[in-house]
Amino acid sequence: ETGVTQSPTHLIKTRGQQVTLRCSSQSGHNTVSWYQQALGQGPQFIFQYYREEENGRGNFPPRFSGLQFPNYSSELNVNALELDDSALYLCASSLEGQAHGYTFGSGTRLTVV
Amino acid sequence: AQSVTQLGSHVSVSEGALVLLRCNYSSSVPPYLFWYVQYPNQGLQLLLKYTSAATLVKGINGFEAEFKKSETSFHLTKPSAHMSDAAEYFCAVSESGGYQKVTFGTGTKLQVIP
Repeated sequence: ETGVTQSPTHLIKTRGQQVTLRCSSQSGHNTVSWYQQALGQGPQFIFQYYREEENGRGNFPPRFSGLQFPNYSSELNVNALELDDSALYLCASSLEGQAHGYTFGSGTRLTVV
Repeated sequence: AQSVTQLGSHVSVSEGALVLLRCNYSSSVPPYLFWYVQYPNQGLQLLLKYTSAATLVKGINGFEAEFKKSETSFHLTKPSAHMSDAAEYFCAVSESGGYQKVTFGTGTKLQVIP
């Protein structure tokens, strides 16, 4: 069984640019949740995708958006990057959104300069 | 609304000593509770989880945690610390119904002193 794969592992962007992060869910999982982890903080829930639709959202502005594809993989898009968007972005997959079955990827480290 | 409070952002123990990391939760419905570990520059690894079965939960690497509803606590323990236990530990809570967002605490960094 494959785990959760995130790409890229690291990237550096300039303030104002746009970025797309990718996540391949674990085999058999149909739900993807995205989290932002700022340095020294716990992960914060961004949103969850189930059956290709957003299924819940945390306290993040609309410039954070996402997609889920028919194969259950997902993208996180961030527009108009700000310096405070610098963080580790974590993706977690699960079956039917069951939190007790979350599997996390290793994350994408985004640095905005 | 659900929330988690981890007491102590940094904990230091000697190798071989008891590890105790504290977590208190708030939830309006029966919760699921989790402990995750994060090593530097890595993602989150599940140590153990409580999902309303046994209140004493055993996890990987010799860790265990006890769900105490009366105290709204879910403290993590390990009888004897190893150097390899040095990492950051996150307590997390999820509601057991509906769509299940996981809410994390702010983390506790565990230092193991040789």
